[in-house]
Amino acid sequence: NAGVMQNPRHLVRRRGQEARLRCSPMKGHSHVYWYRQLPEEGLKFMVYLQKENIIDESGMPKERFSAEFPKEGPSILRIQQVVRGDSAAYFCASSPPEDRRFEEQYFGPGTRLTVT
Amino acid sequence: DQQVKQNSPSLSVQEGRISILNCDYTNSMFDYFLWYKKYPAEGPTFLISISSIKDKNEDGRFTVFLNKSAKHLSLHIVPSQPGDSAVYFCAASRGQNFVFGPGTRLSVLP
Repeated sequence: NAGVMQNPRHLVRRRGQEARLRCSPMKGHSHVYWYRQLPEEGLKFMVYLQKENIIDESGMPKERFSAEFPKEGPSILRIQQVVRGDSAAYFCASSPPEDRRFEEQYFGPGTRLTVT
Repeated sequence: DQQVKQNSPSLSVQEGRISILNCDYTNSMFDYFLWYKKYPAEGPTFLISISSIKDKNEDGRFTVFLNKSAKHLSLHIVPSQPGDSAVYFCAASRGQNFVFGPGTRLSVLP
């Protein structure tokens, strides 16, 4: 059973470009979470999605950031017009469709975004 | 505004001794606490958790203690092993989301 997969592992973008980060949850998992880790800080919750639905996006910046989890395919975190402050590690986690217990969140290896 | 603090960025311990990692929080509404371990180039993995109705939870070599009045929790690892060397994140939650601390890098020396 493959774990949570994220790609790319490293992404370099120039200011103003778009960044697309992909997350494939574990098999059988229908809940996806995105977190961001800035240097010297802990992970910060961004968004919680189920298939085709955004459940909680309270941690998402209001502009330039969007997320989706389509019926088919991976979850996508999209950052438009990136700025240097977007440079961070972005982690995805997934959990099964039962009760949402934090212990059941399995994390991917992360995507390190560098904005030059 | 850091709601979850881990004031020691790093800690070194001799193999076989006890490792104590500390975490402080400011929001008294948090009711569930977790510890995660993270190796380089990997995502965090769940280690142990504790509900606010308890003051101690033990799982093998790992014990978490919660002091609600002091808004403080700690993770004890006994005995420490070289494979425990990693970054440890404390997390606190209320409801749907949780807040991570900045992490403490533990080095267990052989």
